[in-house]
Amino acid sequence: DTGVSQDPRHKITKRGQNVTFRCDPISEHNRLYWYRQTLGQGPEFLTYFQNEAQLEKSRLLSDRFSAERPKGSFSTLEIQRTEQGDSAMYLCASSPVSGPDYNEQFFGPGTRLTVL
Amino acid sequence: GQNIDQPTEMTATEGAIVQINCTYQTSGFNGLFWYQQHAGEAPTFLSYNVLDGLEEKGRFSSFLSRSKGYSYLLLKELQMKDSASYLCAVPFNYGGSQGNLIFGKGTKLSVKP
Repeated sequence: DTGVSQDPRHKITKRGQNVTFRCDPISEHNRLYWYRQTLGQGPEFLTYFQNEAQLEKSRLLSDRFSAERPKGSFSTLEIQRTEQGDSAMYLCASSPVSGPDYNEQFFGPGTRLTVL
Repeated sequence: GQNIDQPTEMTATEGAIVQINCTYQTSGFNGLFWYQQHAGEAPTFLSYNVLDGLEEKGRFSSFLSRSKGYSYLLLKELQMKDSASYLCAVPFNYGGSQGNLIFGKGTKLSVKP
């Protein structure tokens, strides 16, 4: 069990550029979540996948944001035309649908995005 | 809708006991989570309560009262490494099954010598 991994860990970009982040969940976990966290706040939900199906998207997820999980394994989160307000930590979490850990979401280390 | 409230900051002394409170309002209830988050790191799971009462796990205990919409996290024998943010969270209710977590803003605990 290698845990949830995210890549890159840090990203600095200029306003207006596109960025893409990757999340690799724990291998047997069907559910995958993306959250965004700014300084002094708790994580805010962005979107949720069960296998390859995107089941829910937050109102925070504007049309500049898109997420995919094409084969039900890793996921990508893309932000187009980045704005300074997009600067945040982007966290990915995964959870199983059954078993002793099914109530727990396991978080990755996050990708810290800075938009200049 | 869902709303979670917890104090912004707390300070305590090494070796002491501290209680971090959380009040919540949810439409449907699927349990309450506590996570610990050190600065610059990902949240890590501490506890999950779905029934009323106190659950103890080593130095950390978590209490839930569903009728009052209230939970607390109790940390005993505080250590310097316990300095972190503590996040209270409830799952969004998708027709009885759990979905994404709704987090409070977190309580930043500072442990002083």
